[in-house]
Amino acid sequence: GAGVSQSPSNKVTEKGKDVELRCDPISGHTALYWYRQSLGQGLEFLIYFQGNSAPDKSGLPSDRFSAERTGGSVSTLTIQRTQQEDSAVYLCASSGGLAVWEQYFGPGTRLTVT
Amino acid sequence: GQSLEQPSEVTAVEGAIVQINCTYQTSGFYGLSWYQQHDGGAPTFLSYNALDGLEETGRFSSFLSRSDSYGYLLLQELQMKDSASYFCACEWHSYSGAGSYQLTFGKGTKLSVIP
Repeated sequence: GAGVSQSPSNKVTEKGKDVELRCDPISGHTALYWYRQSLGQGLEFLIYFQGNSAPDKSGLPSDRFSAERTGGSVSTLTIQRTQQEDSAVYLCASSGGLAVWEQYFGPGTRLTVT
Repeated sequence: GQSLEQPSEVTAVEGAIVQINCTYQTSGFYGLSWYQQHDGGAPTFLSYNALDGLEETGRFSSFLSRSDSYGYLLLQELQMKDSASYFCACEWHSYSGAGSYQLTFGKGTKLSVIP
């Protein structure tokens, strides 16, 4: 596609429910990143994919968070048993090859846990 | 670990020049990137420095000194539309797991351009 897309754009869920966030990277980009941004804060790294594998999962906040990427394209971030502290904007980015420094971001999913 | 320091807020007058500084402590450092984010928007890439010196892209320039672990973003001829948050980000090599190159972002500098 022309850019990185994410869905849904907004998600309101009740505490304890599971949510799935989707990211569709730029076509041909092999690297895909998930970040979390709380209001007025910086970007917190969650996980990184090179192709379908995730070399580094150390940023995932807890075992309630998981992510997968299939076909070297679409990625899904799943949060189980959501908590209020999970409320944030979840951003996905992709980059071509080893150009880690130039990432293209999607519009984000704003997650609100009530 | 990785840490970056940048001012939280800067205010400047339209037409002026502003410099946003960034200091970092990063093992496995490769380079420094800068991103712009307008309120409610996604971050967009501005520039990248892997070597010491100044990189110029139109009204924006970025500088890196690896020996001082320091960089800055220079914005010239400020326009109202430059009001946004600016993030420095370190590219570094992670030896965790299978190893990877990653970006760690600073907390951002909110730039307000006033008439």
